[in-house]
Amino acid sequence: AQTVTQSQPEMSVQEAETVTLSCTYDTSESDYYLFWYKQPPSRQMILVIRQEAYKQQNATENRFSVNFQKAAKSFSLKISDSQLGDAAMYFCAYIESQGNLIFGKGTKLSVKP
Amino acid sequence: DTGVSQDPRHKITKRGQNVTFRCDPISEHNRLYWYRQTLGQGPEFLTYFQNEAQLEKSRLLSDRFSAERPKGSFSTLEIQRTEQGDSAMYLCASSLAGPLGYTFGSGTRLTVV
Repeated sequence: AQTVTQSQPEMSVQEAETVTLSCTYDTSESDYYLFWYKQPPSRQMILVIRQEAYKQQNATENRFSVNFQKAAKSFSLKISDSQLGDAAMYFCAYIESQGNLIFGKGTKLSVKP
Repeated sequence: DTGVSQDPRHKITKRGQNVTFRCDPISEHNRLYWYRQTLGQGPEFLTYFQNEAQLEKSRLLSDRFSAERPKGSFSTLEIQRTEQGDSAMYLCASSLAGPLGYTFGSGTRLTVV
C-alpha cells in the first residue's frame, strides 16, 4: 500500500527566511501525482503546489517550490521569504491516476516575527 | 459557486445519537470525497462518489456510517449510534475526474460526549 511520511512534526522559521519541509512516499507505481496542502488553524485545506511524477522539472508557485527526487521517493517543499501568513499545518499527499489522495501526518510550521 | 460548502461547521452530540452532515461540492465537479481527520493526523479517506455512484469505501467506514449522493449533487454522511471515537473533523472535497487535486470544504467538527 502507498504511504506518505512526514518526519518533521513541527518546524519553525524566522520571517523572511527560507524553510524546507520534508516528505517521503512509498509506491510501486510510475505514474502518480504529489501535492502539498496548507491547512491554517480552523480553516480549510488549500492546495499549495502540485507535481506530476512524469515531469522532471520541479514545480514552482511564487515563493513555494519543490525538490522532487523520484528515485529517492522524496518530495520536499521549500518556502522562500517566509511570511506570518504561512503559519499552518502542511500536508504532503500522493495520488495515482485512479486512486484517492493519501496524506502524511503533517508538519506544523510556525513563523517567528 | 464559491467552493465546497459543509454544514454544520460544528456538531456536539451525545453518545448513541445519530448525526448527519451535508456537503455541497463545486457544481461542475463530478467527484466527491469524504475524509476524516483526527487531532494531529492527516486526513484519512472514507469514501468517494463519481456522480451518484459510490465507487469506493474505506474499511474505516464501519456499518454505522453511510453516505449518499442523490442525483450526483450534494452528499450526506450519516453516523448512527455515535461513539466517542467518532469525534473528529469530517472533511468533504470535490474534484473533476483525474488526479488534479481536490478542493476541500471547511469541514464539520464532530464532538461526541
